[in-house]
Amino acid sequence: AQSVTQLDSHVSVSEGTPVLLRCNYSSSYSPSLFWYVQHPNKGLQLLLKYTSAATLVKGINGFEAEFKKSETSFHLTKPSAHMSDAAEYFCVVKLSNFGNEKLTFGTGTRLTIIP
Amino acid sequence: GAVVSQHPSWVICKSGTSVKIECRSLDFQATTMFWYRQFPKQSLMLMATSNEGSKATYEQGVEKDKFLINHASLTLSTLTVTSAHPEDSSFYICTVSGRAYNEQFFGPGTRLTVL
Repeated sequence: AQSVTQLDSHVSVSEGTPVLLRCNYSSSYSPSLFWYVQHPNKGLQLLLKYTSAATLVKGINGFEAEFKKSETSFHLTKPSAHMSDAAEYFCVVKLSNFGNEKLTFGTGTRLTIIP
Repeated sequence: GAVVSQHPSWVICKSGTSVKIECRSLDFQATTMFWYRQFPKQSLMLMATSNEGSKATYEQGVEKDKFLINHASLTLSTLTVTSAHPEDSSFYICTVSGRAYNEQFFGPGTRLTVL
């Protein structure tokens, strides 16, 4: 079985300061891990993915995440928050490297940016 | 990545009626399609997995006779919500994938409101 835990339901940061969204996973096998962003009343957009290659993954809009197997973590970071980053973020785990395996979503972290 | 469309993007219907939602893979042969449901301020929950030409596999707690899924071709899957009730109001999202791909491609979602 696989699961993913997003440790914070809500994170607030000031514009221009770093962002850290935490995610821990549980998987019996080497997982694939993803971060998605969802703006209000919109669909999901892929930020970045880890698929057993480099452990530090760079994504779009300046986001990156580091896969740490020893800590079973895949935290999302950004050096400097922008107002447009305000959204809901989902950490997602997939059991294998095949696309036809189902995704398991975390409960989401709402990111608020303070002007 | 693949381009996925959903139609309609939003729908309002009366209680007791049926609603059909289409998911189309515009430039990708999707051997597998997934249907997710997202209630307000909640995460995505997998409803069912469908492979082209086969019956859908439903997650525990999802009524297969209420949520009819048809995946008749490599580019089209439909979800029909039969005898809809207000508690079925939700955001329905489809994803598509193929055996050679390590990710799922998301549709923009369909917002269903049942009055």
